[in-house]
Amino acid sequence: AQRVTQPEKLLSVFKGAPVELKCNYSYSGSPELFWYVQYSRQRLQLLLRHISRESIKGFTADLNKGETSFHLKKPFAQEEDSAMYYCALFPGSSNTGKLIFGQGTTLQVKP
Amino acid sequence: NAGVTQTPKFQVLKTGQSMTLQCAQDMNHNSMYWYRQDPGMGLRLIYYSASEGTTDKGEVPNGYNVSRLNKREFSLRLESAAPSQTSVYFCASRDYTTNEKLFFGSGTQLSVL
Repeated sequence: AQRVTQPEKLLSVFKGAPVELKCNYSYSGSPELFWYVQYSRQRLQLLLRHISRESIKGFTADLNKGETSFHLKKPFAQEEDSAMYYCALFPGSSNTGKLIFGQGTTLQVKP
Repeated sequence: NAGVTQTPKFQVLKTGQSMTLQCAQDMNHNSMYWYRQDPGMGLRLIYYSASEGTTDKGEVPNGYNVSRLNKREFSLRLESAAPSQTSVYFCASRDYTTNEKLFFGSGTQLSVL
Protein backbone atom coordinates (compact mmCIF):
# COMPACT_ATOMS: atom_id res chain seq x y z
CA ALA A 1 0.00 0.00 0.00
CA GLN A 2 1.15 3.54 -0.69
CA ARG A 3 1.52 5.54 2.44
CA VAL A 4 3.27 8.60 3.83
CA THR A 5 3.99 8.83 7.53
CA GLN A 6 5.00 11.92 9.44
CA PRO A 7 5.52 10.68 12.99
CA GLU A 8 5.54 14.08 14.70
CA LYS A 9 2.37 16.13 15.01
CA LEU A 10 4.23 19.02 16.58
CA LEU A 11 7.88 20.00 16.54
CA SER A 12 8.89 22.90 18.71
CA VAL A 13 12.39 24.43 18.52
CA PHE A 14 14.11 27.67 19.42
CA LYS A 15 15.19 30.17 16.82
CA GLY A 16 18.63 29.27 15.47
CA ALA A 17 18.33 25.59 16.33
CA PRO A 18 18.52 22.89 13.65
CA VAL A 19 15.27 21.42 12.40
CA GLU A 20 14.47 18.00 11.00
CA LEU A 21 10.92 17.08 10.03
CA LYS A 22 10.63 13.38 9.45
CA CYS A 23 8.86 11.71 6.57
CA ASN A 24 8.77 8.01 5.73
CA TYR A 25 6.99 6.50 2.79
CA SER A 26 5.81 3.14 1.65
CA TYR A 27 5.93 2.51 -2.07
CA SER A 28 7.52 -0.26 -4.07
CA GLY A 29 8.34 1.72 -7.20
CA SER A 30 10.23 4.94 -7.86
CA PRO A 31 8.36 7.70 -6.10
CA GLU A 32 8.38 11.42 -6.53
CA LEU A 33 8.41 13.16 -3.18
CA PHE A 34 7.44 16.65 -2.20
CA TRP A 35 7.25 18.92 0.79
CA TYR A 36 4.31 21.33 0.93
CA VAL A 37 3.98 24.13 3.48
CA GLN A 38 1.00 26.04 4.82
CA TYR A 39 1.77 29.30 6.59
CA SER A 40 -0.87 30.84 8.81
CA ARG A 41 -3.80 32.16 6.75
CA GLN A 42 -2.16 31.18 3.48
CA ARG A 43 -2.87 28.43 1.02
CA LEU A 44 -0.76 25.32 0.73
CA GLN A 45 2.24 25.77 -1.50
CA LEU A 46 5.08 23.66 -2.75
CA LEU A 47 8.27 24.02 -0.72
CA LEU A 48 10.48 21.62 -2.59
CA ARG A 49 10.55 18.40 -4.60
CA HIS A 50 13.24 15.79 -4.56
CA ILE A 51 13.82 15.71 -8.30
CA SER A 52 14.89 19.35 -8.39
CA ARG A 53 17.45 18.93 -5.63
CA GLU A 54 17.17 22.59 -4.75
CA SER A 55 17.25 24.40 -1.44
CA ILE A 56 14.28 26.63 -0.73
CA LYS A 57 14.31 29.09 2.18
CA GLY A 58 17.28 27.18 3.54
CA PHE A 59 15.43 23.84 3.62
CA THR A 60 16.78 20.72 2.00
CA ALA A 61 15.51 17.17 1.75
CA ASP A 62 17.29 14.07 0.57
CA LEU A 63 15.53 11.01 -0.71
CA ASN A 64 16.90 7.91 1.00
CA LYS A 65 15.52 4.92 -0.86
CA GLY A 66 17.14 2.43 1.50
CA GLU A 67 15.39 3.89 4.52
CA THR A 68 12.36 5.05 2.46
CA SER A 69 12.67 8.48 3.99
CA PHE A 70 12.54 12.07 2.79
CA HIS A 71 13.29 14.14 5.87
CA LEU A 72 13.19 17.93 5.67
CA LYS A 73 16.11 19.76 7.24
CA LYS A 74 17.22 23.27 8.00
CA PRO A 75 20.39 24.10 9.92
CA PHE A 76 19.10 27.26 11.63
CA ALA A 77 15.36 27.71 12.17
CA GLN A 78 13.75 31.13 11.86
CA GLU A 79 10.51 32.31 13.43
CA GLU A 80 8.98 32.75 9.96
CA ASP A 81 9.43 29.01 9.39
CA SER A 82 6.57 28.35 11.80
CA ALA A 83 3.95 26.58 9.71
CA MET A 84 2.32 23.26 8.93
CA TYR A 85 4.47 21.01 6.76
CA TYR A 86 3.19 18.13 4.67
CA CYS A 87 5.21 15.43 3.00
CA ALA A 88 3.61 14.04 -0.15
CA LEU A 89 4.19 11.12 -2.47
CA PHE A 90 3.38 10.85 -6.15
CA PRO A 91 3.43 7.21 -7.21
CA GLY A 92 5.44 7.26 -10.39
CA SER A 93 3.38 4.56 -12.05
CA SER A 94 0.13 6.45 -11.64
CA ASN A 95 -1.36 8.37 -14.52
CA THR A 96 -3.84 10.19 -12.36
CA GLY A 97 -1.50 12.76 -10.88
CA LYS A 98 -2.93 12.30 -7.41
CA LEU A 99 -0.66 12.90 -4.48
CA ILE A 100 -0.73 11.05 -1.20
CA PHE A 101 -0.14 13.27 1.80
CA GLY A 102 1.15 12.55 5.27
CA GLN A 103 -0.58 13.66 8.43
CA GLY A 104 1.36 16.89 8.64
CA THR A 105 3.79 18.32 11.20
CA THR A 106 3.32 21.69 12.82
CA LEU A 107 6.65 23.43 13.25
CA GLN A 108 6.75 26.00 15.99
CA VAL A 109 9.88 28.18 16.17
CA LYS A 110 10.13 30.02 19.45
CA PRO A 111 12.06 33.30 19.83
CA ASN B 1 -4.20 34.67 -13.67
CA ALA B 2 -6.00 33.79 -10.43
CA GLY B 3 -4.80 30.18 -10.11
CA VAL B 4 -7.31 28.04 -8.22
CA THR B 5 -10.40 29.78 -6.92
CA GLN B 6 -12.74 28.23 -4.37
CA THR B 7 -16.09 29.46 -3.16
CA PRO B 8 -17.38 29.95 -0.56
CA LYS B 9 -14.60 30.60 1.97
CA PHE B 10 -16.82 29.86 4.96
CA GLN B 11 -20.09 27.99 5.36
CA VAL B 12 -22.23 26.82 8.24
CA LEU B 13 -24.80 24.12 7.58
CA LYS B 14 -27.34 22.28 9.64
CA THR B 15 -27.30 18.50 9.63
CA GLY B 16 -29.15 17.24 6.58
CA GLN B 17 -28.71 20.34 4.46
CA SER B 18 -27.03 20.17 1.10
CA MET B 19 -24.51 22.42 -0.55
CA THR B 20 -22.01 22.58 -3.39
CA LEU B 21 -18.44 23.79 -3.12
CA GLN B 22 -17.21 25.39 -6.31
CA CYS B 23 -13.69 25.27 -7.70
CA ALA B 24 -12.25 26.75 -10.86
CA GLN B 25 -8.73 26.94 -12.25
CA ASP B 26 -7.41 29.07 -15.07
CA MET B 27 -4.12 27.25 -15.70
CA ASN B 28 -5.47 24.79 -18.27
CA HIS B 29 -4.64 21.88 -15.95
CA ASN B 30 -5.83 18.38 -16.75
CA SER B 31 -6.29 17.13 -13.22
CA MET B 32 -8.29 18.48 -10.32
CA TYR B 33 -8.68 17.25 -6.76
CA TRP B 34 -10.73 17.73 -3.64
CA TYR B 35 -9.04 17.22 -0.28
CA ARG B 36 -10.24 17.63 3.26
CA GLN B 37 -7.94 18.72 6.05
CA ASP B 38 -8.56 17.56 9.60
CA PRO B 39 -6.32 17.90 12.66
CA GLY B 40 -4.10 14.85 13.05
CA MET B 41 -5.36 13.34 9.80
CA GLY B 42 -3.52 15.51 7.35
CA LEU B 43 -4.89 15.96 3.86
CA ARG B 44 -7.13 13.20 2.63
CA LEU B 45 -8.26 12.88 -0.95
CA ILE B 46 -12.03 12.85 -1.39
CA TYR B 47 -12.40 12.70 -5.17
CA TYR B 48 -10.28 13.55 -8.14
CA SER B 49 -10.62 14.08 -11.83
CA ALA B 50 -7.57 13.00 -13.77
CA SER B 51 -8.86 14.65 -16.92
CA GLU B 52 -11.99 16.31 -18.24
CA GLY B 53 -14.83 13.83 -18.35
CA THR B 54 -13.49 11.47 -15.68
CA THR B 55 -13.88 11.36 -11.92
CA ASP B 56 -12.69 8.82 -9.38
CA LYS B 57 -12.99 8.17 -5.68
CA GLY B 58 -10.16 8.98 -3.34
CA GLU B 59 -9.64 7.81 0.23
CA VAL B 60 -12.79 9.28 1.81
CA PRO B 61 -15.55 9.63 -0.81
CA ASN B 62 -18.56 8.65 1.29
CA GLY B 63 -21.13 11.41 1.62
CA TYR B 64 -19.78 13.38 -1.34
CA ASN B 65 -20.35 13.67 -5.06
CA VAL B 66 -18.39 15.57 -7.67
CA SER B 67 -18.89 17.01 -11.11
CA ARG B 68 -16.19 17.92 -13.59
CA LEU B 69 -18.25 20.48 -15.40
CA ASN B 70 -15.55 21.33 -17.93
CA LYS B 71 -11.78 21.55 -17.94
CA ARG B 72 -11.83 24.58 -15.63
CA GLU B 73 -14.42 23.61 -13.03
CA PHE B 74 -14.71 20.80 -10.49
CA SER B 75 -17.46 20.99 -7.89
CA LEU B 76 -17.97 19.01 -4.69
CA ARG B 77 -21.47 18.35 -3.41
CA LEU B 78 -22.64 17.34 0.03
CA GLU B 79 -26.13 15.91 -0.43
CA SER B 80 -27.00 15.56 3.25
CA ALA B 81 -24.41 17.18 5.48
CA ALA B 82 -23.30 15.45 8.67
CA PRO B 83 -21.23 16.80 11.61
CA SER B 84 -18.40 14.44 10.57
CA GLN B 85 -18.05 16.53 7.42
CA THR B 86 -16.99 19.56 9.43
CA SER B 87 -13.58 20.25 7.95
CA VAL B 88 -11.50 22.53 5.77
CA TYR B 89 -11.85 21.62 2.11
CA PHE B 90 -9.18 22.30 -0.46
CA CYS B 91 -9.42 22.14 -4.19
CA ALA B 92 -6.24 21.64 -6.17
CA SER B 93 -5.15 21.24 -9.74
CA ARG B 94 -2.14 19.91 -11.56
CA ASP B 95 -0.95 19.23 -15.07
CA TYR B 96 0.56 15.84 -14.38
CA THR B 97 1.58 15.36 -17.99
CA THR B 98 4.22 18.04 -17.61
CA ASN B 99 5.01 17.11 -14.01
CA GLU B 100 3.66 20.40 -12.73
CA LYS B 101 3.36 20.95 -9.03
CA LEU B 102 -0.02 20.87 -7.29
CA PHE B 103 -1.71 24.27 -7.00
CA PHE B 104 -4.15 24.75 -4.14
CA GLY B 105 -7.13 26.96 -3.59
CA SER B 106 -7.44 28.99 -0.40
CA GLY B 107 -9.84 26.54 1.23
CA THR B 108 -13.42 26.40 2.45
CA GLN B 109 -14.05 26.16 6.16
CA LEU B 110 -17.24 24.17 6.60
CA SER B 111 -19.06 23.64 9.88
CA VAL B 112 -22.00 21.24 10.13
CA LEU B 113 -24.07 21.70 13.26
